[in-house]
Parts: sequence; C-alpha cells; structure tokens
Amino acid sequence: SQQGEEDPQALSIQEGENATMNCSYKTSINNLQWYRQNSGRGLVHLILIRSNEREKHSGRLRVTLDTSKKSSSLLITASRAADTASYFCATDAVGYNTDKLIFGTGTRLQVFP
Amino acid sequence: GAVVSQHPSRVICKSGTSVKIECRSLDFQATTMFWYRQFPKQSLMLMATSNEGSKATYEQGVEKDKFLINHASLTLSTLTVTSAHPEDSSFYICSARVPGYEQYFGPGTRLTVT
Repeated sequence: SQQGEEDPQALSIQEGENATMNCSYKTSINNLQWYRQNSGRGLVHLILIRSNEREKHSGRLRVTLDTSKKSSSLLITASRAADTASYFCATDAVGYNTDKLIFGTGTRLQVFP
Repeated sequence: GAVVSQHPSRVICKSGTSVKIECRSLDFQATTMFWYRQFPKQSLMLMATSNEGSKATYEQGVEKDKFLINHASLTLSTLTVTSAHPEDSSFYICSARVPGYEQYFGPGTRLTVT
C-alpha cells in the first residue's frame, strides 16, 4: 500500500498543552498537506508544505518536512478543546498524477478542558 | 475559498438497490474530481479519479462495475453504488482541485445499507 503512516494513532492532552503528530510517507513528493476531520464530517485543509520547504507556520500550527527521512510533523501549540479531531497528512507522488492524494493513517487527538 | 457540496449527506438503502451520490463544485470548474471511501476510525482511501468527459480511473481493488462514476460536466461528478450490500456502508467523500491550489473536499455522504 502507498498509504503513509502517522503516529501516534491516538493522543490525549489537556488544554494548553502542545500536540505533536508525525507522518511518514513512502515515495518522493511534490508537497505534503495536513487536514483535520471532526467526527463524521468532511475534511478541513490546514496547511500545505512544498518539498523544497522545511518549515511552515500558520497561527498555532507548525509543520516541518524532512524529505531525506520522508517524514513530517504537525505541532499544535496551546491546544484547545475545539482542536479535538482526527488529523491526516496527505501526499502526492512525483511522477504520478500530482492531483492524486494519498492519506496517512491519521492521529485522533482529544483535548480535555 | 472554493466550495464542494455533496448530496445527499445521509442515505439509507436496502441491500440490492443502487444509490447515487452527487459531488458539485459550486464556484469553480473542476476537470478532475476524486472519490474516497472512509470506514469508521480509518483513513480515507482513494477509490477513483473522475475525469470530465472521459472514463474514470479506478484504484487497484475497486470494482468499476460496482462503483459507477460519471463526470458529465465541469461542476458535477456522480458516484453510483450499484447492487449495494451492507459491506458498502461507509462514508463517501469527494474532492476537487482548483488548478494551482489545494484540493477542496465535500462534506461527505454517509451510506448505510440494510
């Protein structure tokens, strides 16, 4: 399977703490994206990082990308109860239809008030 | 931002019947849309790429005769689950990509086959 892997599978923290999720993928990529999904709902795009970028910030989100290790991390700082959701990384693959996304296995984050 | 809608949001059907799910790009034209399936507590699995005016491209292991995809216009793709069975019960999500930007996802359709 081309599917990437994320760890941890599940993460429980208290409000105010930071949450870190990791994503590993298998093939060379053009870019990597992170999405959030609330239970039973659609996906919300969080951030896109290109293969020539190493770090990107958006509000309380910080994403890193290490193409040599084929891995990425998503850091959510000062978490809130509203951050409770599943988080997925998604990659496209160089040489294939670059519109096609392959999703990681996801991390279920629970933030307790 | 770009909006993608799906209809219906929920559908219950009896085993053996067919169900059609619509995916629309509301404020942009999408030559390519994608259909994903998601089982509970699992990730999204790409089923097929829907190409406007041509045949869909199916991922390995996805039965094209069971999951019929039609992309008749630049704003509409449909997925028809034919002869549905309980194991087809799942959350179906479509997406469309605005050229030069990220993919936008629909809100999903929950299919329950009884």
